[in-house]
Amino acid sequence: SQELEQSPQSLIVQEGKNLTINCTSSKTLYGLYWYKQKYGEGLIFLMMLQKGGEEKSHEKITAKLDEKKQQSSLHITASQPSHAGIYLCGADMVASNTGKLIFGQGTTLQVKP
Amino acid sequence: KAGVTQTPRYLIKTRGQQVTLSCSPISGHRSVSWYQQTPGQGLQFLFEYFSETQRNKGNFPGRFSGRQFSNSRSEMNVSTLELGDSALYLCASSLAGGNTIYFGEGSWLTVV
Repeated sequence: SQELEQSPQSLIVQEGKNLTINCTSSKTLYGLYWYKQKYGEGLIFLMMLQKGGEEKSHEKITAKLDEKKQQSSLHITASQPSHAGIYLCGADMVASNTGKLIFGQGTTLQVKP
Repeated sequence: KAGVTQTPRYLIKTRGQQVTLSCSPISGHRSVSWYQQTPGQGLQFLFEYFSETQRNKGNFPGRFSGRQFSNSRSEMNVSTLELGDSALYLCASSLAGGNTIYFGEGSWLTVV
């Protein structure tokens, strides 16, 4: 099984709707990253969370880290077609503070106009 | 400020050949990591270099190697290419440990 599980694997929403993507770890999370990727392209950094209970927002995207549950969630408010893509969570699971991240399998988001 | 730059962006190689991919990190960044992304296995960590030393290594065979130069630029090499090595290879850089990690656009490798 995956060390980092994302759910759902895919999501189709109507423009304007809210949505949430979850990232659950089998181990303690020391640093949790959210990225967005268009197919075949690089990863665009969205947010990094390091402390339990931490919450960060950028434009219409909010990410939270629940340390006790070893889980992070990414919430998009009033989705737009520009939000479509693959969302990936990556985590430092050994407090290594290095560039080594374990990634989830990704969540593919489609936003219907 | 320029982002992480990877070259080449696309390449096609034949089984048995070797390939070298290059990565220029964001100016001032000393940590460079490499990842392989495939539809079946997803995004997997290959190795990380910091100040010219390999600091972490993933579970890949010895055919995969890398190095980092004094200017923090990094190269990764794959020898004796196999069809399964076809993938998007991504390079990432950060200032040091625990900082934001930024990715490049990737190098698409197709092995035929």
